[in-house]
Amino acid sequence: DAGVIQSPRHEVTEMGQEVTLRCKPISGHDYLFWYRQTMMRGLELLIYFNNNVPIDDSGMPEDRFSAKMPNASFSTLKIQPSEPRDSAVYFCASSLSWTGSETQYFGPGTRLLVL
Amino acid sequence: GNSVTQMEGPVTLSEEAFLTINCTYTATGYPSLFWYVQYPGEGLQLLLKATKADDKGSNKGFEATYRKETTSFHLEKGSVQVSDSAVYFCALSATSGTYKYIFGTGTRLKVLA
Repeated sequence: DAGVIQSPRHEVTEMGQEVTLRCKPISGHDYLFWYRQTMMRGLELLIYFNNNVPIDDSGMPEDRFSAKMPNASFSTLKIQPSEPRDSAVYFCASSLSWTGSETQYFGPGTRLLVL
Repeated sequence: GNSVTQMEGPVTLSEEAFLTINCTYTATGYPSLFWYVQYPGEGLQLLLKATKADDKGSNKGFEATYRKETTSFHLEKGSVQVSDSAVYFCALSATSGTYKYIFGTGTRLKVLA
């Protein structure tokens, strides 16, 4: 099993540019999560999907952020336009189902730097 | 609401020292409790978990016991190694309503040779 795959691993862009982060969850997992990690705010849940449907996007910071899951094997997180304060490590995670004790499997993260 | 509180780091220990990282939680119902570890440059990975009161999770020499009476899930290891240097996150999963994982702020552990 390849685990959760994220791309790119590193992204450097200039303020105002569009950024797209990609995630491939573990095959067969019904839940997909996007997190952001910063020194100041720690690990924040941005949004999660169940069977490709967004369930809770209350953590998405503002309208500049959007996430999609067009099929069970692919999700994107888009930032448009990007700002320096968006610089962070973005993690995608997936889990098999929801029983209350499921393990989340994290990808290696995308380190984003907005200049 | 549900929350997790971890001791602040960094924690610096010498190799073979005893490790305790405190974690307490607030939750309605009966959450499951987890410890995740993040090595430098990597994503989080599950270290151990416990799903009900008095359960003990263990892995790689680490242990934590689900204590409902003190709402705690402290992480312990009898003899740390340099390779244990990482950030450790305590987490709980809500068992009612919307699926939510609540992560603590993380505790950085540095083990010196």
